[in-house]
Amino acid sequence: SAVISQKPSRDICQRGTSLTIQCQVDSQVTMMFWYRQQPGQSLTLIATANQGSEATYESGFVIDKFPISRPNLTFSTLTVSNMSPEDSSIYLCSVHSGTDSYEQYFGPGTRLTVT
Amino acid sequence: GDSVTQMEGPVTLSEEAFLTINCTYTATGYPSLFWYVQYPGEGLQLLLKATKADDKGSNKGFEATYRKETTSFHLEKGSVQVSDSAVYFCALSDRSYGKLTFGQGTILTVHP
Repeated sequence: SAVISQKPSRDICQRGTSLTIQCQVDSQVTMMFWYRQQPGQSLTLIATANQGSEATYESGFVIDKFPISRPNLTFSTLTVSNMSPEDSSIYLCSVHSGTDSYEQYFGPGTRLTVT
Repeated sequence: GDSVTQMEGPVTLSEEAFLTINCTYTATGYPSLFWYVQYPGEGLQLLLKATKADDKGSNKGFEATYRKETTSFHLEKGSVQVSDSAVYFCALSDRSYGKLTFGQGTILTVHP
């Protein structure tokens, strides 16, 4: 399985500011995913990021709010822009296993609190 | 669209009790099914998986069987331990885009 790291592990930010979350994988992967886990809730997919193409966003998420970069096969960033307290969540990146079973492996998450 | 429904929680058990967490799904095609676990303060870990009907996934004493006829993937363990206290998520993956759809999660607390 892939080893995934995220930076920062947690942050406290003021409303109106932006935060960029980094996701690093120890092997080359085609598909990377970004999820949001609001307090006490399940995981919701924000977008799918493939290297060399624009990220694909799920309904309810837009590029202006959550711009994503995917410069190579081992790295991606998610920016949470113009933050409000409603953006307080855990943000997780994941990678596709590349196997026929389609499981994903997750990073440890970034816990964001917006004040 | 695809969806996953888990039994409402939280679930509180005594050590060595039998555990069942129900999970049903709605999907087009033939998804892969998963149980993920999130221990306190940690990230999400894959617990077990099943890729086709009648497959049984197992790991760490946990089991789940892919039941196509009832569209279910219930998680079971014969004897839970305090260390099993965590949040458990049922999920499915479509085979077209590899996207995961999660259930709402079930909080399990095991008391000594």
